[in-house]
Amino acid sequence: DQQVKQNSPSLSVQEGRISILNCDYTNSMFDYFLWYKKYPAEGPTFLISISSIKDKNEDGRFTVFLNKSAKHLSLHIVPSQPGDSAVYFCAASDNQGGSEKLVFGKGTKLTVNP
Amino acid sequence: NAGVTQTPKFRILKIGQSMTLQCAQDMNHNYMYWYRQDPGMGLKLIYYSVGAGITDKGEVPNGYNVSRSTTEDFPLRLELAAPSQTSVYFCASSYGLAGVTDTQYFGPGTRLTVL
Repeated sequence: DQQVKQNSPSLSVQEGRISILNCDYTNSMFDYFLWYKKYPAEGPTFLISISSIKDKNEDGRFTVFLNKSAKHLSLHIVPSQPGDSAVYFCAASDNQGGSEKLVFGKGTKLTVNP
Repeated sequence: NAGVTQTPKFRILKIGQSMTLQCAQDMNHNYMYWYRQDPGMGLKLIYYSVGAGITDKGEVPNGYNVSRSTTEDFPLRLELAAPSQTSVYFCASSYGLAGVTDTQYFGPGTRLTVL
């Protein structure tokens, strides 16, 4: 059973507009959430994270929002740039439980058109 | 720092063959991980290690073995390759608990095809 779900396999936006990538989770024990970005033929790279004690974290053009009651998080990219075209993975961990493991979603392929 | 390195980049195996995927990190990280990514799927944890001499199973360990004799190296062994093991394999490392003290840093991956 998927504990982390990214229901949109792909998303296409115009350069300069906002990209919103969504992620849902089922395990209420998850207390830390991360977004990774992956280009073809490369490994994933860390983008931004958020602790469950927060509802928003911002880093430059990237903002992650967390709605714990809905078990939902989203990544906003503003403004979107062609170099943002990649696959974005949502991941979650249960750190209070002492887990060393991340659980990943299937990813959303973002295409930013010039 | 080279970060996390993986060899080989590509490999084609015949059913029943064995091979070792190599992974090394030069960041003095305690934690190391092996993931596989099947087409259209997320990363699934195969094995992980919290330090030299300590390994544990992840979500999909069957058909694989690991060892961690040094902090730097974490090889993944396939003993009897099967078509179901066709995948891209990623090694990762982190200094501390993923998401708490550090993020995971990934290698470039090994694309394995079993025919």
